[in-house]
Amino acid sequence: DTAVSQTPKYLVTQMGNDKSIKCEQNLGHDTMYWYKQDSKKFLKIMFSYNNKELIINETVPNRFSPKSPDKAHLNLHINSLELGDSAVYFCASSPLKRGETQYFGPGTRLLVL
Amino acid sequence: AQKVTQAQTEISVVEKEDVTLDCVYETRDTTYYLFWYKQPPSGELVFLIRRNSFDEQNEISGRYSWNFQKSTSSFNFTITASQVVDSAVYFCALSVNTNAGKSTFGDGTTLTVKP
Repeated sequence: DTAVSQTPKYLVTQMGNDKSIKCEQNLGHDTMYWYKQDSKKFLKIMFSYNNKELIINETVPNRFSPKSPDKAHLNLHINSLELGDSAVYFCASSPLKRGETQYFGPGTRLLVL
Repeated sequence: AQKVTQAQTEISVVEKEDVTLDCVYETRDTTYYLFWYKQPPSGELVFLIRRNSFDEQNEISGRYSWNFQKSTSSFNFTITASQVVDSAVYFCALSVNTNAGKSTFGDGTTLTVKP
């Protein structure tokens, strides 16, 4: 019954590898987001998709590529991983109407060695 | 541009004390939304409250209360009779109508409640 789910929960990988994080929501929401939380706990938005269409890209390196196969899924693919990519990545979703509450997934803890 | 400032980086209180977490926001939009989220040590982000810019009524939910004042651009959060389980990082966030719904988060306040 999880509203927003992410897999994997933990990801440990070597520098230079390519990895993907998956996100699924069963709330029927139209908008999905990816946020990055760094080691200082600062939360910053990375991307937002509305009905499979990219609407926000917050100057994220193009090594990061979101993909939305349908409005219930928003995956994040990261190429050539760097040490600085180590963080917790949160997926979120909200209804189409702006200002609606965002519901967050449990987070994916990525550690790049 | 939008900005959220949580000036208190860390707060430590003893159980049963009242504690207020400050949040000051900046936006030129007249329609906006304010949020508080809790992030306990387990790491998930838990939604606490949403308030729109046209509703300045204060809200109380159990031991939690929120004071929204447009005149000072503040949306402060008070926990009454704090408990150890309140220990967490608390985030204030702002979302505006003109920005595709993205939320700008403050840097968070780490609250530690000691027994």
